[in-house]
Amino acid sequence: DQQVKQNSPSLSVQEGRISILNCDYTNSMFDYFLWYKKYPAEGPTFLISISSIKDKNEDGRFTVFLNKSAKHLSLHIVPSQPGDSAVYFCAGIQGAQKLVFGQGTRLTINP
Amino acid sequence: DSGVTQTPKHLITATGQRVTLRCSPRSGDLSVYWYQQSLDQGLQFLIQYYNGEERAKGNILERFSAQQFPDLHSELNLSSLELGDSALYFCASSVGTGSGSYNSPLHFGNGTRLTVT
Repeated sequence: DQQVKQNSPSLSVQEGRISILNCDYTNSMFDYFLWYKKYPAEGPTFLISISSIKDKNEDGRFTVFLNKSAKHLSLHIVPSQPGDSAVYFCAGIQGAQKLVFGQGTRLTINP
Repeated sequence: DSGVTQTPKHLITATGQRVTLRCSPRSGDLSVYWYQQSLDQGLQFLIQYYNGEERAKGNILERFSAQQFPDLHSELNLSSLELGDSALYFCASSVGTGSGSYNSPLHFGNGTRLTVT
């Protein structure tokens, strides 16, 4: 049962443009959603989160949007920079239960 | 540097063998989590320990077991290894008992890459 899905395995964006990473979920009981970023040979690092009662959270170049009716969230990176090239995981969490991760999307920023 | 230390970084072993992966959590963190990432798969939750006791269990096979010691480091034991067990195994830690909320996210180690031949 894939509760969190990232349907795009990869995304390529030109430097300076907007990167939009998408995530769909099926569990309407998730309280929070988190995005993690992972570089090769490193563990995932926390990037940004959003409460299920919000529809937007912004942190510098990163903004996460949540559409509860569509069970969809997206991460926007503006402007995209070469250092943003990484694998991005979205995850949902319900109460004190385990984080449920999507499969990840590999983002490549082209100069 | 997340502060979470995993050893070894790489492990190559044969089918049927047994291995132990080690994790030291961030200073002050009481919870340790183990995740498995297979090829093209997301991070699959295996098991969580909090202050020495098992807290939550995920998709962990019976051939796998874990424990958390009094000094809070944790070990993941994988036995009767199969080719399909080849994966990246991540350890993560957090302060509290929850799985990492917006204000207490999980901190991951760099993982152990296990190759079963």
